Amino acid sequence: AQSVTQLDSQVPVFEEAPVELRCNYSSSVSVYLFWYVQYPNQGLQLLLKYLSGSTLVKGINGFEAEFNKSQTSFHLRKPSVHISDTAEYFCAVSDPGGGFKTIFGAGTRLFVKA
Amino acid sequence: DTAVSQTPKYLVTQMGNDKSIKCEQNLGHDTMYWYKQDSKKFLKIMFSYNNKELIINETVPNRFSPKSPDKAHLNLHINSLELGDSAVYFCASSSRTHLVGGDTQYFGPGTRLTVL
Repeated sequence: AQSVTQLDSQVPVFEEAPVELRCNYSSSVSVYLFWYVQYPNQGLQLLLKYLSGSTLVKGINGFEAEFNKSQTSFHLRKPSVHISDTAEYFCAVSDPGGGFKTIFGAGTRLFVKA
Repeated sequence: DTAVSQTPKYLVTQMGNDKSIKCEQNLGHDTMYWYKQDSKKFLKIMFSYNNKELIINETVPNRFSPKSPDKAHLNLHINSLELGDSAVYFCASSSRTHLVGGDTQYFGPGTRLTVL
C-alpha cells in the first residue's frame, strides 16, 4: 500500500526567504508524485508533478521539486517566497498501474510573514 | 468557464436531515471523485466513479450515497446527517483513459457543510 508523509505540519518563513516543504512516500511500485496547493477557502490546484524522466520538476509560481528515488522523497522548494504563497500544500502519490486512487499527505501550512 | 463546479457552496442544516451536493465537470474527464476535508485539512477520498461505474468506495457510512447520472456529473446524497459530517466536501475529476497527464486531479471549490 502507498502512503505519503509530510514531515512538517506548519512552516513559518519570512518573505523573500527560501523554503523547503518535505514529503516522503512509500510504495512497492513506481509512482506518480504531485504537489497541490490550496489557498484559503478554495479547492486544490496542481503545482507540479513528476511522472518520469528528469528528477527536477518545475511548476507554477516559481516552485520546483526534486524526486529522489533512493530516499523516496519529493521535496518542494522555492528560492524566494511571497506573502501570496501563504497556503496549504499537499503532497500526493498515485499508482500509474491503476487503482484510480491518489493518496494525499496531511498537508503543510506555509505561512509567509512580512 | 468553471472546470469543476459544485453546488451549493455552503450548506447549513440540522441533525437528522437529508441533503445533496451536486458536482459537474466540463473537462471531458472520465473519472470523478468525492473527498472529505476535515477541520485539520486532512483530505480523505470517499468515492470515485469511472465512466459512471463506482470504482472506489472507501469505508464511508452507508448514509452517504453517490450517484453519477453521466460522466460529467457526480452527486452526493447524505441521509440522517450527524454532527461529525460537518466538513468541506470536494469534488474532483481526472482523465484515466489518457494517462499522459498522470491522473492530475482538478478540484471544485468545495461545499462547506455545517450540521447543527
